[in-house]
Amino acid sequence: DSGVTQTPKHLITATGQRVTLRCSPRSGDLSVYWYQQSLDQGLQFLIQYYNGEERAKGNILERFSAQQFPDLHSELNLSSLELGDSALYFCASSLRTGVPSGANVLTFGAGSRLTVL
Amino acid sequence: DQQVKQNSPSLSVQEGRISILNCDYTNSMFDYFLWYKKYPAEGPTFLISISSIKDKNEDGRFTVFLNKSAKHLSLHIVPSQPGDSAVYFCAAANQAGTALIFGKGTTLSVSS
Repeated sequence: DSGVTQTPKHLITATGQRVTLRCSPRSGDLSVYWYQQSLDQGLQFLIQYYNGEERAKGNILERFSAQQFPDLHSELNLSSLELGDSALYFCASSLRTGVPSGANVLTFGAGSRLTVL
Repeated sequence: DQQVKQNSPSLSVQEGRISILNCDYTNSMFDYFLWYKKYPAEGPTFLISISSIKDKNEDGRFTVFLNKSAKHLSLHIVPSQPGDSAVYFCAAANQAGTALIFGKGTTLSVSS
């Protein structure tokens, strides 16, 4: 158990629908990252939050949004879902923002597998 | 445009031999390089890292080599064990560390 909790583990939904993925970071970690892994793709960075504030944005679609709450958990909202949104969505956390090395390495959750039919 | 490339999707090695996983990057601003290992149904787990001021970092059976002029790094596993069978991701970040950029991964299979 990495200490990063993601729910749900699996989700099946239809095109056009909206879903919310939830992430609880490791205790003490202030930074949360979301990544998407599609078939045959690496981990694509979506967005990072640090202590409730957005810190960096990657290849996140406009149909997707995220936030980090005062208790530091984060949610990734995916709307107007398309078949191509089917993927594994990983949440990771780290102690702080900045260089992701040493004591600040990213710790990943087990992922949420989204299937859009 | 992929900034971190792992050109070998898979690698098969016999137990006890050396496994060498390769990674190339294009962004000269990258300062830190990491390797993550991923088993099925689990998230990636941190394995080893190296900063750009070094050319080698060792941790037990795992050694990472960095060749900055060639923008190339490699992970050596010696000796390889069946439990090392997993997907290995190479990742890179710059000094600001705003995002960790991953390659597509290499699936390592170690047979006994």
